Amino acid sequence: DAKTTQPPSMDCAEGRAANLPCNHSTISGNEYVYWYRQIHSQGPQYIIHGLKNNETNEMASLIITEDRKSSTLILPHATLRDTAVYYCIVRGSSGDKLTFGTGTRLAVRP
Amino acid sequence: DAGVIQSPRHEVTEMGQEVTLRCKPISGHDYLFWYRQTMMRGLELLIYFNNNVPIDDSGMPEDRFSAKMPNASFSTLKIQPSEPRDSAVYFCASRQGAGYEQYFGPGTRLTVT
Repeated sequence: DAKTTQPPSMDCAEGRAANLPCNHSTISGNEYVYWYRQIHSQGPQYIIHGLKNNETNEMASLIITEDRKSSTLILPHATLRDTAVYYCIVRGSSGDKLTFGTGTRLAVRP
Repeated sequence: DAGVIQSPRHEVTEMGQEVTLRCKPISGHDYLFWYRQTMMRGLELLIYFNNNVPIDDSGMPEDRFSAKMPNASFSTLKIQPSEPRDSAVYFCASRQGAGYEQYFGPGTRLTVT
């Protein structure tokens, strides 16, 4: 599976959009981009995934560049409860494993 | 559904003792994953099962670790003998078929003194 690179930490103000970037320049054609988050002392939680089209659900939006070498997770109106470590993961369509990197620690400020 | 259930939530034991961690996956899920999380190594996959059969145990650190899944609703991760370096949070997760989402349990925090 392709390796991902994320900034170690970010912050944003409550109520503003949080944009979390991820680089996956070695991604191959059948690999999906997944985002999970881990709130302190809890198990990771699935957020969203995509292949090449932009995706949106009740939690977030995922924007994938046309060349698929990078993506951005957008939390449109961040709240204090969104403070967590966010993991960007690339996984093949036939693979079962999720390989978690170090993620981005997002701090939402009041 | 109650989600993935793990027990105990906290375990403190002395070096050399046997430790057994338990997991009940979400009903109907046929994949089960065991992970370990430490500050040094992050979140790493130890082993996973499909239909109660171990598929990949390449992440199991050494022979002191073993995992079983006797039926679709129960799995154990055993460490014998335990060592201080096994101190970590152990997560169990389950997934339904080729679905995209793994559902994680709350974890078991293991401390070996």
